[in-house]
Amino acid sequence: EVQLVESGGGLVQPGGSLRLSCAASGFTFSSYSMNWVRQAPGKGLEWVSYISSSSSTIYYADSVKGRFTISRDNAKNSLYLQMNSLRAEDTAVYYCARDRSGKDAFDIWGQGTMVTVSS
Amino acid sequence: DIQMTQSPSTLSASVGDRVTITCRASQSISSWLAWYQQKPGKAPKLLIYKASSLESGVPSRFSGSGSGTEFTLTISSLQPDDFATYYCQQYNSYHGTFGQGTKVEIK
Repeated sequence: EVQLVESGGGLVQPGGSLRLSCAASGFTFSSYSMNWVRQAPGKGLEWVSYISSSSSTIYYADSVKGRFTISRDNAKNSLYLQMNSLRAEDTAVYYCARDRSGKDAFDIWGQGTMVTVSS
Repeated sequence: DIQMTQSPSTLSASVGDRVTITCRASQSISSWLAWYQQKPGKAPKLLIYKASSLESGVPSRFSGSGSGTEFTLTISSLQPDDFATYYCQQYNSYHGTFGQGTKVEIK
């Protein structure tokens, strides 16, 4: 079964750090570009970051640029999001999502992991 | 960045109704548009890609059309399972901007 499973969410104080992981299974992870998308409570979807299959191309939303770092380990079939200098407005469910092919729609999504930034 | 605007924000409809949701891009995105369905507490689900291509396994009552800056998602006969929030997303740029969502409610 094609599957993405996020982990690493939790409660963190403003200014703190957190690392999210996304474990992929059921497909050739190294062949696909990946993304992180977040959704604040009661709000819409916000694209956060993109990484190509070989990690050669990376993009960030302006709202997280300089604070978040996306990475992947194709040998471990895993995607990561290192989040530093966290703010209250980063509170959201974070989803990892697979590109259908290259720069494309997101056809596979994880179940999400909740990040709460609060003192 | 490209901005995506959906209308309406909320739509009240009955089972069997034909429903249309509109999405407008702030600049041309050719046909690089997707539609997703999201139910409360669940991850989004891809319905349509490349503006009008139906994702595998998605019922044929869902259809998409448009190109350039104006797009529509149509549900030909609304079913009980279709009450959800729908999002459009452009992927003309790597910054895959989403619309603000359209909630389809029971009338």
